[in-house]
Amino acid sequence: GAGVSQSPSNKVTEKGKDVELRCDPISGHTALYWYRQSLGQGLEFLIYFQGNSAPDKSGLPSDRFSAERTGGSVSTLTIQRTQQEDSAVYLCASSLDPNSYEQYFGPGTRLTVT
Amino acid sequence: AQTVTQSQPEMSVQEAETVTLSCTYDTSESDYYLFWYKQPPSRQMILVIRQEAYKQQNATENRFSVNFQKAAKSFSLKISDSQLGDAAMYFCAYTRYKLIFGTGTRLQVFP
Repeated sequence: GAGVSQSPSNKVTEKGKDVELRCDPISGHTALYWYRQSLGQGLEFLIYFQGNSAPDKSGLPSDRFSAERTGGSVSTLTIQRTQQEDSAVYLCASSLDPNSYEQYFGPGTRLTVT
Repeated sequence: AQTVTQSQPEMSVQEAETVTLSCTYDTSESDYYLFWYKQPPSRQMILVIRQEAYKQQNATENRFSVNFQKAAKSFSLKISDSQLGDAAMYFCAYTRYKLIFGTGTRLQVFP
């Protein structure tokens, strides 16, 4: 079956612009996670969704970052007024439910802010 | 707060030989899961092996096995009969729902 998909694969944007990153989880997976992978910070948790609600947003680095999930499926991570330090690979993962623990990752979106 | 430490930034192994990657973690919880993920240059994170903390028996998946020492909070990965395709970044991760990753070990495999 289809795995987790993310789009775009790569995104180059100018400092100050807004960007939207999309994640399509595996069908039927209720839990969805966003992570960020950067040279300086390694792999960091950003936000977790259970269905459409986000019980844990503790990893979002600033109020420029927001995320939503609609219909218990697709999720969008939005970064407003991008900064150079936002350059990273943004990874999305899904799991059947939060108790299943095993997370399946998408291929990531590489964001470059110039 | 939970932390995961991988003290080996880089490791190398010859094809067909065995290599062990180290990982330690810190947590006050008694129920959790531990994983090893592989990330090749394609960026795709691939689950290699998982270990439930309540299980004493070490997990094994084909050529991959772990040495889980709960009291010592240690979780090493052993790769036997290394293959060229094993070359990648390997991340140790702890979870109770969100993954907390170590900094990774880059494994090189030489023919």
